[in-house]
Order: sequence, then structure tokens, then C-alpha cells
Amino acid sequence: AQSVAQPEDQVNVAEGNPLTVKCTYSVSGNPYLFWYVQYPNRGLQFLLKYITGDNLVKGSYGFEAEFNKSQTSFHLKKPSALVSDSALYFCAVRDMGGSGNTGKLIFGQGTTLQVKP
Amino acid sequence: KAGVTQTPRYLIKTRGQQVTLSCSPISGHRSVSWYQQTPGQGLQFLFEYFSETQRNKGNFPGRFSGRQFSNSRSEMNVSTLELGDSALYLCASSLGDFDYNEQFFGPGTRLTVL
Repeated sequence: AQSVAQPEDQVNVAEGNPLTVKCTYSVSGNPYLFWYVQYPNRGLQFLLKYITGDNLVKGSYGFEAEFNKSQTSFHLKKPSALVSDSALYFCAVRDMGGSGNTGKLIFGQGTTLQVKP
Repeated sequence: KAGVTQTPRYLIKTRGQQVTLSCSPISGHRSVSWYQQTPGQGLQFLFEYFSETQRNKGNFPGRFSGRQFSNSRSEMNVSTLELGDSALYLCASSLGDFDYNEQFFGPGTRLTVL
């Protein structure tokens, strides 16, 4: 079964500093990986995804993620954090156990990012 | 393009009642997935519908059911509500053709069971 882990419940960073939110995955075959962000009392917003190709994926709001196959990781990064980046971040992997061409999304437990002024 | 809409946004029910939640996907999206979000269990997949057929199902009891209409709108129903069903229920839509299609989420329906 496919799974995804976010080892940190919370990440604290000062505004202007780089940030990293960690994610590791376990899949059979090639992974499809996603990052989503959730602001309070809102649904999830798509940030970026990895399908294949370049290991560095660029997404919305200045975020990027680095896919590392040997370490089975897909860490989310941003060179300079903003206070407005404070939110709950979810990493997800597509579970290929479903029927047909698609499978369900399996989410990590989420990491709360706190950016302090 | 309008985003995913969910109605109602908030719902209060008592144990034993049943509830129906509605989701309207982004125009052109044929896949609708439902998730339950709770502080303890995180985001858990309920089921996915594609072209009016249930394509995937999570590990929830039969009290949780859903359907999709020909216009891709979807409803989920929970019967015989329990206190533990209190959660944020999120609907997500996607094109649905391939696994790498990202999902777009609605704002959710906050269900409170008393």
C-alpha cells in the first residue's frame, strides 16, 4: 500500500528565511506526488505536483519541491518565507491500487507552518 | 471559471439522523472525490465518482454513501449519524482522466453531530 509521511507536526521559521516542509513517501512504481495548503476554515489549495522529469518542481506562490527518488522524499521549499505563508501543508501521493487508470489520493498528516515577523 | 462549491457550509444534526451534502465541481471536471477531515485522523478518502460511477472507495462503513449525477454534481449521504461523524467534509473535483490530474477542493461542509 502506498503511504506518505510528514515527520514534523510544526515548522517555525522567521520571515525572510528559507523554509522546508518535509515529506517522505512509500510507493510501488513511479509516484505521482502533490503538495496542498490549507488556510483556516478553507478547503485545500493545490500548490504543485511531480509527475516525471525534472526533480525540481516549481509551483504557486513561490513554492518549489525537490523530488529525490533515492531518499523517497518530496520536500517543499521556499527561498524566503512570508508571514502569509503560515498555514497547514499537506503532502499527498496517488495510490495506484484503484481500478482503471486512477487511484485515490493518500494524504500525510499535515505540517503546520508558522512564519514569525 | 467558478471553483468547487459545497452546500451547506455548516450543518448541525443529532445522533441517529441522516444528512445529505452537495458538491458542484468545476465545469468540465468529471471526477468528484469526497474526504473527511478530523483533527485526530487527518484527511481520509471516502469515495470517488467518475461519470456517475463509483470508481474508488475508502474504508468507511456503509452508512456513508454517495452518488453522481449526469451533470457531474455529487451528493454524499450519511445515515444514522454518530458523534464521531463530526468533521469537515471536503469535496474535490478533477478532470479525472489521469492519475496526475490535480484535484481542486471546495471550502467544505462542517458537520456537527450532537
